[in-house]
Amino acid sequence: AQKVTQAQTEISVVEKEDVTLDCVYETRDTTYYLFWYKQPPSGELVFLIRRNSFDEQNEISGRYSWNFQKSTSSFNFTITASQVVDSAVYFCALSELTGGGNKLTFGTGTQLKVEL
Amino acid sequence: GAVVSQHPSRVICKSGTSVKIECRSLDFQATTMFWYRQFPKKSLMLMATSNEGSKATYEQGVEKDKFLINHASLTLSTLTVTSAHPEDSSFYICSATERTGGTDTQYFGPGTRLTVL
Repeated sequence: AQKVTQAQTEISVVEKEDVTLDCVYETRDTTYYLFWYKQPPSGELVFLIRRNSFDEQNEISGRYSWNFQKSTSSFNFTITASQVVDSAVYFCALSELTGGGNKLTFGTGTQLKVEL
Repeated sequence: GAVVSQHPSRVICKSGTSVKIECRSLDFQATTMFWYRQFPKKSLMLMATSNEGSKATYEQGVEKDKFLINHASLTLSTLTVTSAHPEDSSFYICSATERTGGTDTQYFGPGTRLTVL
């Protein structure tokens, strides 16, 4: 069975600090996808990134960066120079490939609070 | 980018009534849509997978007669909560799968907050 663990329930930082959100996953699939979503207080989940299991290159997008380590089954997310607008719940998810669509297994989420 | 809408965004109803929630992919076709339920400060719980032109696949523990799903077209799926009770009050979120370059990504709707009195 697939499982995603986000051990950090809540993180509080001061604006401009860097923060890393941890994600550890378990799967028996050799091919899978990992995702990060942001859920601001409004409730809508915003897609941030998708990474396939064959691509271990780290990715950077503006202040966001992701570190995929297949050897440790981790897909961590770092926000550099955090801002108040980054305050949200962040979910890591793992896909189970089903015909025609990917069924996602979500972690329990990490509540990030960025304060002035 | 891929946009998914949900309607209504918020609904309050009396116990015993049925409520229909619509999920639409606005700028892409989605053969697969998913319905989730989220309790306060909790993760998303997958309720069912909705495939266009076929019956929905429900997760274990989800009553199919209670939560009716209809995937009428490649851009529309509906979830009907039948004979709603206060314990059905929750935040319901749909997602639609867009396939690009042979890879699927789920895009989520803004959610529907259901309150059953």
